[in-house]
Amino acid sequence: DVKVTQSSRYLVKRTGEKVFLECVQDMDHENMFWYRQDPGLGLRLIYFSYDVKMKEKGDIPEGYSVSREKKERFSLILESASTNQTSMYLCASSPQPSGHDFGPGTRLTVT
Amino acid sequence: QKEVEQNSGPLSVPEGAIASLNCTYSDRGSQSFFWYRQYSGKSPELIMSIYSNGDKEDGRFTAQLNKASQYVSLLIRDSQPSDSATYLCAVRARNNNDMRFGAGTRLTVKP
Repeated sequence: DVKVTQSSRYLVKRTGEKVFLECVQDMDHENMFWYRQDPGLGLRLIYFSYDVKMKEKGDIPEGYSVSREKKERFSLILESASTNQTSMYLCASSPQPSGHDFGPGTRLTVT
Repeated sequence: QKEVEQNSGPLSVPEGAIASLNCTYSDRGSQSFFWYRQYSGKSPELIMSIYSNGDKEDGRFTAQLNKASQYVSLLIRDSQPSDSATYLCAVRARNNNDMRFGAGTRLTVKP
């Protein structure tokens, strides 16, 4: 019954490291999303993709990039991790116009 | 004005009561509306979607949409302690692949 999976539940990285967060969905959804969730700030959209090799910036793309080479996989890249990127990262997928299926989340700590 | 606004709560109701959660949105072009439940430490889970004016019932949950007032609500009848969670309202605009989330309302159901 697995739908959206994320590569790690918990991750600890050092400042300046390049960080890769992987997300895979098995539902053949066109749309995939990356959010971060912080206490008091709610869910904020980083990037989304509506097709292979297509990407759109969300509200807070600075310091992040994404890659979607295959329909089922959407990767989030932190080019040079900083402490203010410590957060819960949530991947989601959906067909239009339905709601999201979220992955379990990756709690990233940057020290 | 935030795109999607919810009462921040917390909202506390006794077991067996009706819990009422409210949400307003700013984009009149919005077409799809969703309610997610998020338990502490878990990712959001889609519990209701509604696309046209009126009520939509699913078990103990009823979603209500009024596009003229730009208002969507979630009623939980016969509230149970297991309903204690944060409830997120989300709105998707027409021809728009991204989703806008409210900050969430924390609900506590007391035995």
